[in-house]
Amino acid sequence: KAGVTQTPRYLIKTRGQQVTLSCSPISGHRSVSWYQQTPGQGLQFLFEYFSETQRNKGNFPGRFSGRQFSNSRSEMNVSTLELGDSALYLCASSLGAGGGSGNTIYFGEGSWLTVV
Amino acid sequence: QKEVEQNSGPLSVPEGAIASLNCTYSDRGSQSFFWYRQYSGKSPELIMFIYSNGDKEDGRFTAQLNKASQYVSLLIRDSQPSDSATYLCAPRPPNFNKFYFGSGTKLNVKP
Repeated sequence: KAGVTQTPRYLIKTRGQQVTLSCSPISGHRSVSWYQQTPGQGLQFLFEYFSETQRNKGNFPGRFSGRQFSNSRSEMNVSTLELGDSALYLCASSLGAGGGSGNTIYFGEGSWLTVV
Repeated sequence: QKEVEQNSGPLSVPEGAIASLNCTYSDRGSQSFFWYRQYSGKSPELIMFIYSNGDKEDGRFTAQLNKASQYVSLLIRDSQPSDSATYLCAPRPPNFNKFYFGSGTKLNVKP
């Protein structure tokens, strides 16, 4: 069974540009969440989607957005990139809706974004 | 106040020793916890889930949950250099899949 797949794995962007990252969850998983990881801030929750609906959003500016498609694949977009957006962006998928229904999350390999 | 606190380390132990990693949490409502391992440059991978007080063993790994004292720990017996990684703990979210991770403890196992 294929794991969570993220593309692209590495990318370099210039300040002010925008970027779109893609995530394909494990087959059958309907929940997709996104995390940002930096050395200083650790692993921080960005947002979560379930059945094409954003259910939760972390404390990030509106430049960070996402969406989920009917096949559960998800994309996240960062507009007007800043140097501080350089990070590892991780996508995680889960079978259940969370809470009491069993919500182990499985991470993809991540997308390394460098903003110059 | 952070929901989950971990000592960032690095924690250095010799090969074959027991490594003890700790995580304290602030929400008394947290009922269960995940432990993830993250190798440098890689993504986190699940190694343990514990949902009740006491110990849970899986091979060389033992997770301990103490709800009264609000801490959860991970013991690694017979530590190997391949165990060198950062270990992250996270309480199971009460709803949805919004996880808050600790900052992680970096473990170095010296041959």
